[in-house]
Amino acid sequence: DIQMTQSPSSLSASVGDRVTVTCRASQNIGKYLNWYQQKSGKVPKLLIYGVSTLQSGVPSRFSGSGSGTDFTLTISSLQAEDFATYYCQQTYSTLWTFGQGTKVEIK
Amino acid sequence: QVQLVESGGGLVKPGGSLRLSCAASGFAFSDYYMTWIRQAPGKGLEWVSYISTSSTYITYADSVKGRFTISRDNAKNSMYLQMRSLRPEDTAMYYCAKAHSTGWYQFDYWGQGSLVTVSS
Repeated sequence: DIQMTQSPSSLSASVGDRVTVTCRASQNIGKYLNWYQQKSGKVPKLLIYGVSTLQSGVPSRFSGSGSGTDFTLTISSLQAEDFATYYCQQTYSTLWTFGQGTKVEIK
Repeated sequence: QVQLVESGGGLVKPGGSLRLSCAASGFAFSDYYMTWIRQAPGKGLEWVSYISTSSTYITYADSVKGRFTISRDNAKNSMYLQMRSLRPEDTAMYYCAKAHSTGWYQFDYWGQGSLVTVSS
């Protein structure tokens, strides 16, 4: 199975901060990398697919980059509504896997 | 609009069985892969299984392989998850999701979830 490792597991940030979450795959996954946001008690929501394509309706302060094994989710200017847990996911192999999540908390 | 509604969750004893259903509407169900994802209380997301448009391709996470069976009925716009030999560690909220059949297989719509509790 392909393992997805996110770092950090949690972070504290203030409104307006630039936030970066990293996701590393245990093997090359090309561009088969998606990002999801889950707010407390809510259903996960697709943010970015194919490494860098924003899902319709997602604010442009979110961006994704990377290829192969190393990927990044960036929030350019953190807003109050962005405090949530973020998950990366690979769909390269026949067994899809999520990262363990990165919780973004208020500083 | 796209809607996914799970049902069938509940309390079951270890070793028992349960069948989850996912009723879909608002999109061409037969054109999309469908998938199950679960989330244990206080834990992260765990992908469980997916099924292709005509049920040709089916895969399972190692944690459920041999115990869970995914299926779909395109005439009824529905997907199912038959769960057998349930264990306490299967306790979770189970979500169904619509997955793109081409490109990056992203999960663009999710249901609200169905809670499965395995306990004696």
